[in-house]
Amino acid sequence: RKEVEQDPGPFNVPEGATVAFNCTYSNSASQSFFWYRQDCRKEPKLLMSVYSSGNEDGRFTAQLNRASQYISLLIRDSKLSDSATYLCVVKHKIIFGSGTRLSIRP
Amino acid sequence: ETGVTQTPRHLVMGMTNKKSLKCEQHLGHNAMYWYKQSAKKPLELMFVYSLEERVENNSVPSRFSPECPNSSHLFLHLHTLQPEDSALYLCASSQEAWELTDTQYFGPGTRLTVL
Repeated sequence: RKEVEQDPGPFNVPEGATVAFNCTYSNSASQSFFWYRQDCRKEPKLLMSVYSSGNEDGRFTAQLNRASQYISLLIRDSKLSDSATYLCVVKHKIIFGSGTRLSIRP
Repeated sequence: ETGVTQTPRHLVMGMTNKKSLKCEQHLGHNAMYWYKQSAKKPLELMFVYSLEERVENNSVPSRFSPECPNSSHLFLHLHTLQPEDSALYLCASSQEAWELTDTQYFGPGTRLTVL
């Protein structure tokens, strides 16, 4: 089993839709979790950290489920500018998922 | 602007060439990293440096040789590469190497093509 797994997508959703994707991890000792965003041909940039209690930043909500060992990212009222690849990061060691590609269609 | 710069941005080299990638961070961080990003694969951590000391080497072939002369600069020396080494090479920095809550800041990457 891979240490970090993501559905690669692409998720192709209409503008204004709500979309969610998960990232599962195998090491129960993992302690820190992040979502990064990577635009085409650009470097990854931090989108948000994921806290145990769940956290929200505008249209983005991140949650952690330790029992089932996954983190999730929910995007509400999606914009065209949200089209990107979303990478989850799990730290025990630093391990990136392979990314989920999201494409918002007008 | 993330505070992490990389040069060159693009590099084409033959298998017998020797070249170097350069990374510089202006954030006052103590840890620097090299990652390899190939198409449709996760970012692969190659090397980790903490205060100029290499603290992790993830089974990277010896044709990749890192150098960290100070905490602001990181190099990746390349020699006798293979075509499968063609990828985007990303440098990153964070405040400390294994502080789990630290955010990593990435440079723009060097897109390497090996002919």
